Amino acid sequence: KQEVTQIPAALSVPEGENLVLNCSFTDSAIYNLQWFRQDPGKGLTSLLLIQSSQREQTSGRLNASLDKSSGRSTLYIAASQPGDSATYLCAVYPPLKFYFGSGTKLNVKP
Amino acid sequence: EADIYQTPRYLVIGTGKKITLECSQTMGHDKMYWYQQDPGMELHLIHYSYGVNSTEKGDLSSESTVSRIRTEHFPLTLESARPSHTSQYLCASSGAGNTIYFGEGSWLTVV
Repeated sequence: KQEVTQIPAALSVPEGENLVLNCSFTDSAIYNLQWFRQDPGKGLTSLLLIQSSQREQTSGRLNASLDKSSGRSTLYIAASQPGDSATYLCAVYPPLKFYFGSGTKLNVKP
Repeated sequence: EADIYQTPRYLVIGTGKKITLECSQTMGHDKMYWYQQDPGMELHLIHYSYGVNSTEKGDLSSESTVSRIRTEHFPLTLESARPSHTSQYLCASSGAGNTIYFGEGSWLTVV
């Protein structure tokens, strides 16, 4: 069974810092990996989707990389802002089901 | 922007009441999902569907039931609500691109 782990569970940084969130998965046979943002009490908003044939995707200040063979993905956030404060989750699609990590709670201090 | 809608957003009901949480998507996606998430905790898949008249139980045992009579509609029903059912319920859908989209969630409180 696929297991998805996110480290760290929580992270607090001052505004302006560059930071990296980690996601690891146990079975490398995936179709894609998605990164999401979740604000308190809300649903999940998709940030980036990386297909299994891709190595990375970029959107604005966000860059996600995928190393399927090692079962790892990283989400890089450049020049963090207080508005980036949220929980960030990754999910893999083996296929048929999506498997989610438990998330990294990010707090960016002004 | 994903077109997936959940109603109600917030609901407080008494123990023993029957409740249906509605979920609709306008993207024509064949796959739909229900997740349960307690505050600050991870997502748990409770039901999913790969198409009309197809429903499966997820990884987390749930006393709820679902139906999929139309492609766009995937309601979740609790026949007799209990305080242990208090949680956030998130509906999601995915199509051929295998990208999953979520609704805003339904917060259920059973008193």
